[in-house]
Amino acid sequence: AQSVTQPDIHITVSEGASLELRCNYSYGATPYLFWYVQSPGQGLQLLLKYFSGDTLVQGIKGFEAEFKRSQSSFNLRKPSVHWSDAAEYFCAVGARGTGRRALTFGSGTRLQVQP
Amino acid sequence: GAGVSQTPSNKVTEKGKYVELRCDPISGHTALYWYRQSLGQGPEFLIYFQGTGAADDSGLPNDRFFAVRPEGSVSTLKIQRTERGDSAVYLCASSLSAGTAQNEQFFGPGTRLTVL
Repeated sequence: AQSVTQPDIHITVSEGASLELRCNYSYGATPYLFWYVQSPGQGLQLLLKYFSGDTLVQGIKGFEAEFKRSQSSFNLRKPSVHWSDAAEYFCAVGARGTGRRALTFGSGTRLQVQP
Repeated sequence: GAGVSQTPSNKVTEKGKYVELRCDPISGHTALYWYRQSLGQGPEFLIYFQGTGAADDSGLPNDRFFAVRPEGSVSTLKIQRTERGDSAVYLCASSLSAGTAQNEQFFGPGTRLTVL
């Protein structure tokens, strides 16, 4: 069964500092990989996704993520964090080559941004 | 255009009662998904529909949970004999189709269910 681990429950960074949120997955093959953001009272919003090709993917709001097959990781990064980035971030995987369409999510990382 | 909407936004009920949660997907989206998010956790899959039929209900925790999508648009998640452990945020998502897990799922704001 596939699983997703986000080892950091809570991260605090200063505004303007760089950010890296970690995500590791367990899956028999390379899954489809996603990062979502959830702000209070808002639905989950897709930041970026990786299916194949270039292992560094760009997303919305200045976020990027790098897929590393050898580490089974898909870490999310941003060079300079803004106060509006404070939210909860979820890494998710989708099954490749099967009939399964459900996403499997990690438990999330809550980002706090200090002024 | 309008996103995925869910009603009610909050539902408080008593243990043992029956509840219905509604989801209106994005117009034209044929695939619809239900997830449940407990406090401090990521969303967990419950069921998904392609059109009117439930294509995968493997995430439903037990037979108290049931979902329908009779006309291939609006869906209702039904929970019988609610238990305190059912308290969670129930999320609905839709995608253009379910031809592949690549299709982006668009999420609604959720219904927060509290069982007293």
